[in-house]
Amino acid sequence: NAGVTQTPKFRILKIGQSMTLQCTQDMNHNYMYWYRQDPGMGLKLIYYSVGAGITDKGEVPNGYNVSRSTTEDFPLRLELAAPSQTSVYFCASSLDSSSYNEQFFGPGTRLTVL
Amino acid sequence: AQSVAQPEDQVNVAEGNPLTVKCTYSVSGNPYLFWYVQYPNRGLQFLLKYITGDNLVKGSYGFEAEFNKSQTSFHLKKPSALVSDSALYFCAVRDTRPPSGGSYIPTFGRGTSLIVHP
Repeated sequence: NAGVTQTPKFRILKIGQSMTLQCTQDMNHNYMYWYRQDPGMGLKLIYYSVGAGITDKGEVPNGYNVSRSTTEDFPLRLELAAPSQTSVYFCASSLDSSSYNEQFFGPGTRLTVL
Repeated sequence: AQSVAQPEDQVNVAEGNPLTVKCTYSVSGNPYLFWYVQYPNRGLQFLLKYITGDNLVKGSYGFEAEFNKSQTSFHLKKPSALVSDSALYFCAVRDTRPPSGGSYIPTFGRGTSLIVHP
C-alpha cells in the first residue's frame, strides 16, 4: 500500500490564482481530512469527509472547497489564492467512525502565495 | 467540548537521558489519546494510542506514554533519548462522547519540539 499520497509537493502561486491539491488513499478508509500547518500553530482542520459524497467544514474553511466523489480521493480547491494561505497542507485518513482509530498522514504540500 | 494542551513549545534533553513530553486534555466523556511524531519536511506518523485498559502504553521506536485520569494527562516518555528522536511531537484527543450532531474528529495540540543534544 502506498498509504496517503499528495501532489504536488511544492507549489508557488500568484495572488488570485487557483489550484487543486490532490489527495489519494489506498487503504479504503472512510474518513479523510485536510489540515494546514503554520509554524508554531500546530494543525488546523480545514475540511473533513466521513465518506464519499459527504463533506463538512472544519476550523478554518474559508477560501477552500472540497469534494469527495470516491472513497479514495479528497481534493482541496483553493480559489483566489491569498498570501494568508501560504502554508503546508496535509491530507490524512482514518478507517471509520470509531474514534479510537489513528490517522494516516500524507507527506504534505508546501504552498507559497506571492 | 474536547481540548488538548502541550505546555512546552520545546524540550531539550541530552542523548542517553530520559525524556518526557507533556500533554493534558479535557473531554466530556472518556478520552482516546494519541501521540504522533513529525520529522522535518515529513507528514505526521502515528506513535501510540490509549483506548482503555493498562495506563502505560508502549509504542514505536521505544516510546511509551502514561495515561493519568486524575491529572487528565498523557505524557510521552522514553527511557534513553537518541539524537534521531529530535522531531516535532503532537498529542491528540478524541472524546468518546462527541457533541450533539458532531463527529469523531480529533483535536491536536500545538506540538512540542524535542531537541536531543549529542
